[in-house]
Amino acid sequence: EPEVTQTPSHQVTQMGQEVILRCVPISNHLYFYWYRQILGQKVEFLVSFYNNEISEKSEIFDDQFSVERPDGSNFTLKIRSTKLEDSAMYFCASSGTVKGNQPQHFGDGTRLSIL
Amino acid sequence: AQKVTQAQTEISVVEKEDVTLDCVYETRDTTYYLFWYKQPPSGELVFLIRRNSFDEQNEISGRYSWNFQKSTSSFNFTITASQVVDSAVYFCALSETSGTYKYIFGTGTRLKVLA
Repeated sequence: EPEVTQTPSHQVTQMGQEVILRCVPISNHLYFYWYRQILGQKVEFLVSFYNNEISEKSEIFDDQFSVERPDGSNFTLKIRSTKLEDSAMYFCASSGTVKGNQPQHFGDGTRLSIL
Repeated sequence: AQKVTQAQTEISVVEKEDVTLDCVYETRDTTYYLFWYKQPPSGELVFLIRRNSFDEQNEISGRYSWNFQKSTSSFNFTITASQVVDSAVYFCALSETSGTYKYIFGTGTRLKVLA
Protein backbone atom coordinates (compact mmCIF):
# COMPACT_ATOMS: atom_id res chain seq x y z
CA GLU A 1 0.00 0.00 0.00
CA PRO A 2 1.38 3.45 -0.87
CA GLU A 3 2.53 5.50 2.07
CA VAL A 4 3.66 8.96 3.04
CA THR A 5 7.37 9.09 3.79
CA GLN A 6 9.11 11.67 5.93
CA THR A 7 12.81 12.41 6.27
CA PRO A 8 14.74 12.61 8.43
CA SER A 9 13.16 10.60 11.22
CA HIS A 10 15.06 12.65 13.78
CA GLN A 11 16.62 16.08 13.32
CA VAL A 12 18.76 17.84 15.91
CA THR A 13 19.40 21.54 15.30
CA GLN A 14 20.90 24.46 17.17
CA MET A 15 18.51 27.22 18.18
CA GLY A 16 18.40 29.96 15.59
CA GLN A 17 19.25 27.67 12.71
CA GLU A 18 16.99 26.98 9.77
CA VAL A 19 15.57 23.50 9.35
CA ILE A 20 13.74 21.85 6.47
CA LEU A 21 11.54 18.85 7.05
CA ARG A 22 10.78 16.75 4.02
CA CYS A 23 7.79 14.72 3.04
CA VAL A 24 6.93 12.64 0.01
CA PRO A 25 3.13 12.37 -0.16
CA ILE A 26 1.31 9.57 -1.92
CA SER A 27 1.79 10.16 -5.61
CA ASN A 28 -1.75 10.86 -6.80
CA HIS A 29 -2.80 12.89 -3.77
CA LEU A 30 -3.73 16.53 -4.13
CA TYR A 31 -4.03 17.86 -0.59
CA PHE A 32 -1.19 18.14 1.85
CA TYR A 33 -0.97 18.93 5.54
CA TRP A 34 1.53 19.49 8.31
CA TYR A 35 0.75 18.81 11.97
CA ARG A 36 2.83 19.24 15.08
CA GLN A 37 2.86 17.29 18.34
CA ILE A 38 4.82 18.69 21.27
CA LEU A 39 5.99 15.84 23.48
CA GLY A 40 3.14 14.48 25.58
CA GLN A 41 0.56 16.76 24.02
CA LYS A 42 -2.06 16.51 21.30
CA VAL A 43 -1.51 16.65 17.58
CA GLU A 44 -2.12 20.18 16.29
CA PHE A 45 -2.88 21.36 12.77
CA LEU A 46 -0.31 23.70 11.25
CA VAL A 47 -1.14 24.20 7.58
CA SER A 48 -2.95 22.76 4.60
CA PHE A 49 -1.75 23.12 1.01
CA TYR A 50 -3.56 22.65 -2.27
CA ASN A 51 -2.90 23.70 -5.85
CA ASN A 52 0.50 25.12 -4.93
CA GLU A 53 -0.74 27.44 -2.27
CA ILE A 54 -1.66 27.49 1.38
CA SER A 55 -5.38 26.88 1.82
CA GLU A 56 -5.49 27.26 5.58
CA LYS A 57 -3.05 27.86 8.40
CA SER A 58 -3.32 27.90 12.16
CA GLU A 59 -2.15 30.60 14.53
CA ILE A 60 0.89 28.45 15.26
CA PHE A 61 2.01 28.82 11.64
CA ASP A 62 3.62 32.24 11.96
CA ASP A 63 6.13 34.02 9.74
CA GLN A 64 8.99 31.72 10.67
CA PHE A 65 7.22 28.79 8.99
CA SER A 66 6.84 28.20 5.28
CA VAL A 67 5.81 25.31 3.07
CA GLU A 68 6.72 24.46 -0.45
CA ARG A 69 6.15 21.83 -3.06
CA PRO A 70 9.34 22.38 -5.04
CA ASP A 71 8.76 19.55 -7.49
CA GLY A 72 6.08 17.01 -8.26
CA SER A 73 6.86 14.79 -5.34
CA ASN A 74 8.25 16.60 -2.31
CA PHE A 75 6.39 18.72 0.24
CA THR A 76 8.59 20.62 2.66
CA LEU A 77 8.15 22.52 5.89
CA LYS A 78 10.80 25.14 6.62
CA ILE A 79 11.36 26.76 9.98
CA ARG A 80 13.52 29.82 9.42
CA SER A 81 15.01 30.52 12.84
CA THR A 82 14.26 27.72 15.22
CA LYS A 83 13.34 28.24 18.85
CA LEU A 84 13.44 25.82 21.75
CA GLU A 85 9.65 25.57 21.68
CA ASP A 86 9.75 24.27 18.11
CA SER A 87 10.95 20.95 19.51
CA ALA A 88 8.20 18.52 18.58
CA MET A 89 7.18 15.69 16.32
CA TYR A 90 6.08 16.97 12.92
CA PHE A 91 3.68 14.87 10.88
CA CYS A 92 3.01 15.25 7.19
CA ALA A 93 -0.28 13.98 5.76
CA SER A 94 -1.85 13.79 2.34
CA SER A 95 -5.24 12.95 0.91
CA GLY A 96 -6.63 12.42 -2.56
CA THR A 97 -9.60 14.72 -2.11
CA VAL A 98 -11.15 16.87 0.56
CA LYS A 99 -14.56 15.47 -0.15
CA GLY A 100 -13.99 13.25 2.83
CA ASN A 101 -14.07 10.15 0.72
CA GLN A 102 -10.54 9.37 1.67
CA PRO A 103 -8.91 9.82 5.06
CA GLN A 104 -5.60 11.61 5.39
CA HIS A 105 -2.59 9.34 5.27
CA PHE A 106 0.06 10.25 7.84
CA GLY A 107 3.80 9.79 7.63
CA ASP A 108 5.70 8.38 10.58
CA GLY A 109 6.83 11.85 11.62
CA THR A 110 10.07 13.76 12.06
CA ARG A 111 11.18 14.32 15.62
CA LEU A 112 12.76 17.78 15.77
CA SER A 113 14.99 18.56 18.72
CA ILE A 114 16.21 22.13 19.17
CA LEU A 115 19.24 22.59 21.42
CA ALA B 1 -15.97 26.28 16.98
CA GLN B 2 -14.79 22.71 16.58
CA LYS B 3 -13.43 20.88 19.58
CA VAL B 4 -12.68 17.32 20.65
CA THR B 5 -12.58 16.35 24.31
CA GLN B 6 -11.05 13.19 25.68
CA ALA B 7 -11.60 13.55 29.39
CA GLN B 8 -9.66 10.43 30.36
CA THR B 9 -5.98 11.30 30.47
CA GLU B 10 -4.78 7.85 31.42
CA ILE B 11 -6.42 4.49 31.99
CA SER B 12 -4.84 1.37 33.41
CA VAL B 13 -6.43 -2.04 33.06
CA VAL B 14 -5.36 -5.59 33.60
CA GLU B 15 -5.02 -7.79 30.54
CA LYS B 16 -8.30 -9.32 29.33
CA GLU B 17 -10.40 -6.54 30.84
CA ASP B 18 -12.65 -4.50 28.57
CA VAL B 19 -11.98 -0.79 28.37
CA THR B 20 -13.88 2.12 26.86
CA LEU B 21 -12.22 5.34 25.74
CA ASP B 22 -14.51 8.34 25.63
CA CYS B 23 -14.62 11.05 22.98
CA VAL B 24 -16.96 14.03 22.90
CA TYR B 25 -16.89 16.53 20.06
CA GLU B 26 -18.32 19.92 19.19
CA THR B 27 -19.03 21.16 15.71
CA ARG B 28 -21.43 23.47 13.91
CA ASP B 29 -21.20 21.47 10.70
CA THR B 30 -23.96 19.02 9.88
CA THR B 31 -21.56 16.89 7.87
CA TYR B 32 -18.29 15.82 9.42
CA TYR B 33 -16.00 12.88 9.95
CA LEU B 34 -14.73 11.32 13.15
CA PHE B 35 -11.59 9.24 13.54
CA TRP B 36 -9.66 7.20 16.04
CA TYR B 37 -5.88 6.87 15.83
CA LYS B 38 -3.49 4.80 17.89
CA GLN B 39 -0.05 6.15 18.75
CA PRO B 40 2.28 3.44 20.04
CA PRO B 41 5.53 4.33 21.86
CA SER B 42 7.34 4.43 18.51
CA GLY B 43 5.35 7.60 17.74
CA GLU B 44 3.58 7.00 14.45
CA LEU B 45 -0.15 7.54 14.06
CA VAL B 46 -2.02 4.37 13.20
CA PHE B 47 -5.44 4.85 11.62
CA LEU B 48 -8.17 2.77 13.29
CA ILE B 49 -11.52 3.98 12.03
CA ARG B 50 -13.36 6.75 10.19
CA ARG B 51 -17.05 7.46 10.64
CA ASN B 52 -19.13 10.04 8.80
CA SER B 53 -21.86 11.98 10.54
CA PHE B 54 -24.64 10.34 8.58
CA ASP B 55 -23.72 6.85 9.61
CA GLU B 56 -24.64 6.15 13.20
CA GLN B 57 -24.26 2.42 12.93
CA ASN B 58 -21.94 1.00 15.48
CA GLU B 59 -18.97 -0.85 14.13
CA ILE B 60 -17.05 -3.86 15.32
CA SER B 61 -13.66 -4.94 14.07
CA GLY B 62 -12.26 -7.88 15.96
CA ARG B 63 -11.74 -6.80 19.55
CA TYR B 64 -12.45 -3.15 18.69
CA SER B 65 -15.88 -1.54 18.60
CA TRP B 66 -17.08 2.00 18.22
CA ASN B 67 -20.27 3.61 19.46
CA PHE B 68 -21.30 6.79 17.66
CA GLN B 69 -24.15 8.76 19.22
CA LYS B 70 -24.96 11.98 17.42
CA SER B 71 -27.50 12.97 20.09
CA THR B 72 -24.76 13.21 22.71
CA SER B 73 -21.93 14.13 20.28
CA SER B 74 -19.93 11.15 21.39
CA PHE B 75 -17.82 8.62 19.56
CA ASN B 76 -16.57 6.10 22.10
CA PHE B 77 -14.11 3.30 21.48
CA THR B 78 -14.17 -0.04 23.30
CA ILE B 79 -11.43 -2.64 23.36
CA THR B 80 -12.65 -6.04 24.43
CA ALA B 81 -10.31 -8.46 26.17
CA SER B 82 -7.45 -5.98 26.19
CA GLN B 83 -3.90 -7.10 25.51
CA VAL B 84 -0.53 -5.66 26.47
CA VAL B 85 0.01 -4.70 22.82
CA ASP B 86 -2.96 -2.37 23.08
CA SER B 87 -0.91 -0.11 25.34
CA ALA B 88 -0.63 3.21 23.51
CA VAL B 89 -2.05 6.70 23.36
CA TYR B 90 -5.36 6.85 21.53
CA PHE B 91 -6.54 10.00 19.80
CA CYS B 92 -10.00 10.90 18.64
CA ALA B 93 -10.21 13.46 15.81
CA LEU B 94 -12.83 15.51 14.00
CA SER B 95 -12.78 16.72 10.41
CA GLU B 96 -15.40 19.21 9.28
CA THR B 97 -16.54 19.34 5.67
CA SER B 98 -16.45 23.12 5.62
CA GLY B 99 -12.94 24.48 5.20
CA THR B 100 -9.99 22.27 4.36
CA TYR B 101 -10.97 19.09 6.19
CA LYS B 102 -8.13 19.56 8.63
CA TYR B 103 -8.17 17.24 11.59
CA ILE B 104 -8.85 18.52 15.08
CA PHE B 105 -7.44 16.08 17.58
CA GLY B 106 -8.38 15.47 21.18
CA THR B 107 -5.72 15.46 23.87
CA GLY B 108 -5.49 11.68 23.79
CA THR B 109 -5.96 8.90 26.32
CA ARG B 110 -2.96 6.89 27.42
CA LEU B 111 -3.98 3.27 27.85
CA LYS B 112 -1.78 0.99 29.91
CA VAL B 113 -2.62 -2.69 29.80
CA LEU B 114 -0.88 -4.61 32.57
CA ALA B 115 0.01 -8.27 32.25
